[in-house]
Amino acid sequence: GESVGLHLPTLSVQEGDNSIINCAYSNSASDYFIWYKQESGKGPQFIIDIRSNMDKRQGQRVTVLLNKTVKHLSLQIAATQPGDSAVYFCAENYGGATNKLIFGTGTLLAVQP
Amino acid sequence: EPEVTQTPSHQVTQMGQEVILRCVPISNHLYFYWYRQILGQKVEFLVSFYNNEISEKSEIFDDQFSVERPDGSNFTLKIRSTKLEDSAMYFCASSEALGGANEKLFFGSGTQLSVL
Repeated sequence: GESVGLHLPTLSVQEGDNSIINCAYSNSASDYFIWYKQESGKGPQFIIDIRSNMDKRQGQRVTVLLNKTVKHLSLQIAATQPGDSAVYFCAENYGGATNKLIFGTGTLLAVQP
Repeated sequence: EPEVTQTPSHQVTQMGQEVILRCVPISNHLYFYWYRQILGQKVEFLVSFYNNEISEKSEIFDDQFSVERPDGSNFTLKIRSTKLEDSAMYFCASSEALGGANEKLFFGSGTQLSVL
């Protein structure tokens, strides 16, 4: 069936370095993609989103890149900080009338001081 | 900043018992959702709700599950007869709209349900 998956389950980086978290999706009909951050014991927290008519979107210290040709999504975090340590999920929205999100398996980002 | 609130944060119940998980979505949001996350696994969609009706539900959301918006602020998930495999973190979410700039889902902190 359709699914969203992550390439790297764990990513360890040094404080101050840039982080790149990757995600593959399989539903070419998906038109909206979101990155969520989940800290221990908390719910998913919205980071950034992107629509299928864009290939790049920037936020504060974060950039999302979308490559529809290979169905790939990435999250770049600049100057990674210890507070960025969390599990990061990509999610896709198939569209339609319900805003249902399909989540990937998550990548644990560990920032070393 | 407005947030989705969920109560209780932890719920322990015996197998076969009924549980009600409660959520207060963001006040101007119109679309409501329940998701769950079994330990170490993906966040999974359960149900979406709009205009006092279920919009979509997953295969997980069987006859043992129901949702209700009993008043203008609360949104509840009821499990009639809990099973061991219902043990999970249950997240409520809400969004202002379906499309456009306001379709982002905002999640609560979750209720950890443990079925013994």
